[in-house]
Amino acid sequence: DIQMTQSPSTLSASIGDRVTITCRASQSVDKWLAWYQQRPGKAPKLLIQQASILEDGVPSRFSGSGSETVFTLTVSSLQPDDAATYHCQHYNGYPLTFGQGTRLEIK
Amino acid sequence: EVQLVESGGDLVPPGGSLRLSCAVSGLTIRNYAMIWVRQAPGKGLEWVSSISGTGDRSEYVDSVKGRFTISRENSKNTLYLQMGRLRAEDTAIYYCAKSDCESIDCKLIAFWGQGTLVTVSS
Repeated sequence: DIQMTQSPSTLSASIGDRVTITCRASQSVDKWLAWYQQRPGKAPKLLIQQASILEDGVPSRFSGSGSETVFTLTVSSLQPDDAATYHCQHYNGYPLTFGQGTRLEIK
Repeated sequence: EVQLVESGGDLVPPGGSLRLSCAVSGLTIRNYAMIWVRQAPGKGLEWVSSISGTGDRSEYVDSVKGRFTISRENSKNTLYLQMGRLRAEDTAIYYCAKSDCESIDCKLIAFWGQGTLVTVSS
C-alpha cells in the first residue's frame, strides 16, 4: 500500500501569511493526488485534483503542485475562513490512502 | 443541488451488524462510482470501499474484507454498506461520497455527505 505523509501536522499562521503544506508518497502516484479541506465538525471538501487542478468555486489563493512522490498545497494569503484540517490523498490505485492531516490554525 | 444523506449509524456491541444507507438527490447515481470513507474520533480519513456505477465491481480496504459489503440500488438512488462482525476499531463517522465518473477506475472522491456515526462498544 502507498503511504502518504503530511508535514507539518499542525501549522499556526497569521492572516495574510503564505503557508505551504507538504505531502509525500511512499512511491510514485504520478499526478493522481487530491487535497481536501475539512472544517471542524464538517465533511471534507475537495479543493484540488490531479495535484494542481483547482475545483470550481475554490478561491484562487489555493494552489497545488508536485508530481510522483512530493506534492504541496499553498495558500498565498491566509484568510480566517481557511482555518481547517487539510488532507492529501492519492488515487493512483487501490487501496486509496490519505495523509494524516494538517491542522491549520490562525494566530 | 446535490445531496448525499447517510443514515443507519448507531451504538452496536462488538460482533454485531449494522447497515448504513446513503440517499442521494440532485443526480443519478448510476452514472457514478460511489465510495465509503470513515474517520475514527480525532483521527484521519480512511477509505473503506468503492463500487462501480453498475454495481458489478467493488473494492475494499483489507481491514474490512470479508466483514463489510458495499451495494447500491440505482432505482432508489441509494448506496449501502452492510457491516458485520464489528470491532471497536470500526468506531468512526462513516461518510458516503461520489466519484466523478462511472467506472470502478474512477477513484477521485469528488463530493461527500455529512456522515453517520457508528460506535462499537459493549
